[in-house]
Amino acid sequence: EPEVTQTPSHQVTQMGQEVILRCVPISNHLYFYWYRQILGQKVEFLVSFYNNEISEKSEIFDDQFSVERPDGSNFTLKIRSTKLEDSAMYFCASSEAEVLNTEAFFGQGTRLTVV
Amino acid sequence: AQKITQTQPGMFVQEKEAVTLDCTYDTSDQSYGLFWYKQPSSGEMIFLIYQGSYDEQNATEGRYSLNFQKARKSANLVISASQLGDSAMYFCAMREAYRRALTFGSGTRLQVQP
Repeated sequence: EPEVTQTPSHQVTQMGQEVILRCVPISNHLYFYWYRQILGQKVEFLVSFYNNEISEKSEIFDDQFSVERPDGSNFTLKIRSTKLEDSAMYFCASSEAEVLNTEAFFGQGTRLTVV
Repeated sequence: AQKITQTQPGMFVQEKEAVTLDCTYDTSDQSYGLFWYKQPSSGEMIFLIYQGSYDEQNATEGRYSLNFQKARKSANLVISASQLGDSAMYFCAMREAYRRALTFGSGTRLQVQP
């Protein structure tokens, strides 16, 4: 069964460093998303991406975040200068369409720890 | 105001019994979709079931069913014949018309006891 894959599964980084989280969405999907979940809290939307541009972003997705689809398969989230409060599980998701009844398929997540 | 409210932080159920996980939502849109996801301890998010705002029938997927009461703005998940493997966090989520984002509730941790 096709799945969304994320690498790495766990990343530890020093405060102020840049990190890149990588995702390979399901191959025929066109819509891509990043969500994050701070430990013990709800899952929060960061950004959606379609046709090589951001289609929606939340207030969390400020200037220190960026997304890119550098080739036909990868979808990345970059955090330019990490802060302690960026420690969270980051989920990549993809969907085939954006009609209401289309579920998003989530990857297994990358746990980011900023020290 | 919270768009998705899950009032049960934790629930216990005996194996083989049914359990209902509550979810209420708030939107002024007429067109929206409601989703339930399961998050086991391994961390991944697994899609369970979907209900559209215009669907007249309650959604069902195997042992999962959704008790959709539109006037009350509630979309409760019913798990029948609970199994030990059902122990997980369960999140209710909503997508409103013309938005890409899923808005999640705070989740309910379900523990199935033998």
